[in-house]
Amino acid sequence: NAGVTQTPKFQVLKTGQSMTLQCAQDMNHEYMSWYRQDPGMGLRLIHYSVGAGITDQGEVPNGYNVSRSTTEDFPLRLLSAAPSQTSVYFCASSPSGDSAQHFGDGTRLSIL
Amino acid sequence: EDQVTQSPEALRLQEGESSSLNCSYTVSGLRGLFWYRQDPGKGPEFLFTLYSAGEEKEKERLKATLTKKESFLHITAPKPEDSATYLCAVQAPASGTYKYIFGTGTRLKVLA
Repeated sequence: NAGVTQTPKFQVLKTGQSMTLQCAQDMNHEYMSWYRQDPGMGLRLIHYSVGAGITDQGEVPNGYNVSRSTTEDFPLRLLSAAPSQTSVYFCASSPSGDSAQHFGDGTRLSIL
Repeated sequence: EDQVTQSPEALRLQEGESSSLNCSYTVSGLRGLFWYRQDPGKGPEFLFTLYSAGEEKEKERLKATLTKKESFLHITAPKPEDSATYLCAVQAPASGTYKYIFGTGTRLKVLA
């Protein structure tokens, strides 16, 4: 049982480049979300989805896009990378929007 | 504004030395309070959910309690393998449906 799988685990980008962070879950969860974790800031919600075809903004959505075409996948796109987006990104899923979340092991992203 | 504060930021214990971690919150209408454990380089792992004041949950050496203003994570006779960062999160309708607010965590180190 894989749970929540995030790829890649590590990535280095140059300012202005774009990329997609992948997230897949095999638990048939409806709710999925993306967080970033920075030292001293805690986990901050970027975007979330309550089901296929439905997404909404979290606390820090600027510079990021998401889509949810299937229940299993919830990719996060960086449109034009900036050094301020250097962070560890976590994807999470849960059966519903008010239940405990299952997290992936993160993508460590550095933007030069 | 909804807020979650965890204390202390860091805690060092000798093996067998019991202690408590604190999570205080100021939210309008708590829907649920969640405790997670995070090991270095990994995503958060769910421990407990508490919904109402007076509620308690236990798992091995951990016990979580909830009042109207704070939650405690009590660690009884800790072992080195309990070393991790412990995160608290709340869900409150005023912050937006299905949105979680995380604290910055308590880094626990248990010495053998």
